[in-house]
Amino acid sequence: SQTIHQWPATLVQPVGSPLSLECTVEGTSNPNLYWYRQAAGRGLQLLFYSVGIGQISSEVPQNLSASRPQDRQFILSSKKLLLSDSGFYLCAWSESFAGELFFGEGSRLTVL
Amino acid sequence: QKEVEQNSGPLSVPEGAIASLNCTYSDRGSQSFFWYRQYSGKSPELIMFIYSNGDKEDGRFTAQLNKASQYVSLLIRDSQPSDSATYLCAVNTNDMRFGAGTRLTVKP
Repeated sequence: SQTIHQWPATLVQPVGSPLSLECTVEGTSNPNLYWYRQAAGRGLQLLFYSVGIGQISSEVPQNLSASRPQDRQFILSSKKLLLSDSGFYLCAWSESFAGELFFGEGSRLTVL
Repeated sequence: QKEVEQNSGPLSVPEGAIASLNCTYSDRGSQSFFWYRQYSGKSPELIMFIYSNGDKEDGRFTAQLNKASQYVSLLIRDSQPSDSATYLCAVNTNDMRFGAGTRLTVKP
């Protein structure tokens, strides 16, 4: 069966510091991969999605970036965090664009 | 206009009642529709998906889709306190777009 893991689960970072969140999927090949952000009491905002290694589409032009160095690995990064980057970050995968998403456990980021 | 709209709630129903959650979407080209449940502090989990007009039943849950009206709903029969959560409607056209969610509270 397929599983998805992301880490770290919780982190507190100062403004201006870098960020790296990592996500891996097991039990499937060539998944579509996604990064979403959920601000407190808000819906999910699509940040990035990827249909294959090295292929990244950005939905939100911000100080965040994503990379897919391996088929089942998806990384969310920032060189300098802003206060507004605080939120609950969710990695997800799907077999196709029309199919259901399966989410990782989430990473709660607080920028102080 | 938001792509996917839901009433934020909170929606409160007594235990054993039917909870009705509604969602409208703006893109007529949308092909697939999903309901996710999200407990506080946790990630969303898929409850149901529906692709065709009409009703789809799975246990206590029924999803309803009306593409002409651009409307999706989720009915929860015999609501239980464990159903208390935020319910997210998601619509997939070229990628998955989520509503802000409806918070449901089931009172014992």
